[in-house]
Amino acid sequence: AQSVTQLGSHVSVSEGALVLLRCNYSSSVPPYLFWYVQYPNQGLQLLLKYTTGATLVKGINGFEAEFKKSETSFHLTKPSAHMSDAAEYFCAVTRNAGGTSYGKLTFGQGTILTVHP
Amino acid sequence: EPEVTQTPSHQVTQMGQEVILRCVPISNHLYFYWYRQILGQKVEFLVSFYNNEISEKSEIFDDQFSVERPDGSNFTLKIRSTKLEDSAMYFCASRDLNTEAFFGQGTRLTVV
Repeated sequence: AQSVTQLGSHVSVSEGALVLLRCNYSSSVPPYLFWYVQYPNQGLQLLLKYTTGATLVKGINGFEAEFKKSETSFHLTKPSAHMSDAAEYFCAVTRNAGGTSYGKLTFGQGTILTVHP
Repeated sequence: EPEVTQTPSHQVTQMGQEVILRCVPISNHLYFYWYRQILGQKVEFLVSFYNNEISEKSEIFDDQFSVERPDGSNFTLKIRSTKLEDSAMYFCASRDLNTEAFFGQGTRLTVV
């Protein structure tokens, strides 16, 4: 079974400040990890993903995340927040039972990011 | 860029009525999914579909729900007799063998 915990349902930062959204996962097989962003009244857009290889992954809009197996974490960061980053962010995990491919996604509860001018 | 298309974007239905939510996955994708998001809650897996059959379903996906790929391009979710608690955003997703899932924009279902 897989699960995801996102610490903090709401995060508020000032424009230009560091963004840090926390995600911890549980998986019985090596996970594939994702961050999705959802703007108001829109669908889910992939920000970045980790499957194998380099543990620091870069995504769109200046976001990056680091897979830390020892901490079972995949926190999302951005050095300088922009007003347009205001949205809800979801961390998700997948891996099929055999550990060979993608499977269904299990999502965290989501974190709403507010950016103040 | 290829995308997953869902119709309608918003559907209002009366309790007890049947609804069909439609999705056109990315062509040549092999795996298809439905997820739902009740307002203010997390996105939840409903069902996965591969090779013309359900490969996995959640406990949410009871006998009131069914999926179909009627013509090789559409992928539908049917709710036979809607309940108030079925009100949610429903997302369709598709993927190829070794790619992540691509999501549609969602259908907001409101049961009144």
